[in-house]
Amino acid sequence: QKEVEQDPGPLSVPEGAIVSLNCTYSNSAFQYFMWYRQYSRKGPELLMYTYSSGNKEDGRFTAQVDKSSKYISLFIRDSQPSDSATYLCAMRKGEYGNKLVFGAGTILRVKS
Amino acid sequence: EAGVAQSPRYKIIEKRQSVAFWCNPISGHATLYWYQQILGQGPKLLIQFQNNGVVDDSQLPKDRFSAERLKGVDSTLKIQPAKLEDSAVYLCASSFGQGGNSPLHFGNGTRLTVT
Repeated sequence: QKEVEQDPGPLSVPEGAIVSLNCTYSNSAFQYFMWYRQYSRKGPELLMYTYSSGNKEDGRFTAQVDKSSKYISLFIRDSQPSDSATYLCAMRKGEYGNKLVFGAGTILRVKS
Repeated sequence: EAGVAQSPRYKIIEKRQSVAFWCNPISGHATLYWYQQILGQGPKLLIQFQNNGVVDDSQLPKDRFSAERLKGVDSTLKIQPAKLEDSAVYLCASSFGQGGNSPLHFGNGTRLTVT
């Protein structure tokens, strides 16, 4: 069983839709949770990070962490064609030196 | 600020040949990472440096892969000899700290094709 599971998609939505991207994980030691966006032939770029459980909002993006269910989500409101990319969840266990573990990524396509 | 620089962008080699990748991290970032991203998968950590010391190389295939970070700045990753399954994008990343929510900044990677 992989430590981090993520549906690879592709997920295709019309412009303006609300998008929900999700990851599940098996290791309860994970404490720091991040979402990266990766455009084709580019490196991943950090979108959001959260520590432990709860919600965090940044513009059109909202990240949610439910540690009791070992489930994290990224919501994108008013999706735009420019949001078309691969979205990677990532998480790490502790403060120092623990490696960041990535999900496989979900391909998102927003149609205009 | 200038981002993480990697070269070359693309490399095609035959199996059993050797290849090297170069990375220049963001100025002032003490932690440097090499990740391998196979098509359709998320990045997998190969090696993590803190300054010029190795923090984690548990997933580095040491019989064929090697990496160094001289003077705690630039880094090179080498594969010798290459296998078909080494075809992937090799991503270099750097961060100011080495844990917690210290964000990783990635370069655009080197796409390696082994034929």
